[in-house]
Amino acid sequence: RKEVEQDPGPFNVPEGATVAFNCTYSNSASQSFFWYRQDCRKEPKLLMSVYSSGNEDGRFTAQLNRASQYISLLIRDSKLSDSATYLCVVSVRNDYKLSFGAGTTVTVRA
Amino acid sequence: NAGVTQTPKFQVLKTGQSMTLQCAQDMNHEYMSWYRQDPGMGLRLIHYSVGAGITDQGEVPNGYNVSRSTTEDFPLRLLSAAPSQTSVYFCASSYSLLAGNTGELFFGEGSRLTVL
Repeated sequence: RKEVEQDPGPFNVPEGATVAFNCTYSNSASQSFFWYRQDCRKEPKLLMSVYSSGNEDGRFTAQLNRASQYISLLIRDSKLSDSATYLCVVSVRNDYKLSFGAGTTVTVRA
Repeated sequence: NAGVTQTPKFQVLKTGQSMTLQCAQDMNHEYMSWYRQDPGMGLRLIHYSVGAGITDQGEVPNGYNVSRSTTEDFPLRLLSAAPSQTSVYFCASSYSLLAGNTGELFFGEGSRLTVL
């Protein structure tokens, strides 16, 4: 079983729509959670960290559900520029090894 | 604002050839790492280093060597290239990955390697 699993999508949504997707992780000792964004043929870049209480950054909202071992990302008022692959990243406390999901692709159409 | 610099961006090798992917960062980061990214599999850690002179294996280390003689540089060596090593390779660095920090990794632009 993969440590981090994501629905690959693609999620095709019109501009202005809301899109949400989850990521499940298998290691119950996981302590740190992140969403990275990767544009086509580019390097990943940190989008946001995910905190226990949930957090927002503009149109992006991240949630953590420890009981069910998943994190989620919600994008409101989608823009064309939100088209990308979103990578879920998980790490265990005091471990140098981050576990990456394979990514969820979002395509926002005009 | 160089950040993390990887070279070359593209490389084609024949089976059995060796080569070195270069990675340099100018952010004085202690942690550096190499990942490979293959379709449908996510990024997988090859090797990492927590400081000059210290390296360790990641998830998929076989066929690769690393060294860390300076804080800035972390080259990845393919000893005898195989078609299974065809992939996109990313070097990444961070101030620290230990508990409680942001864990932000800064990636290079990637190196696309094809082994024939």
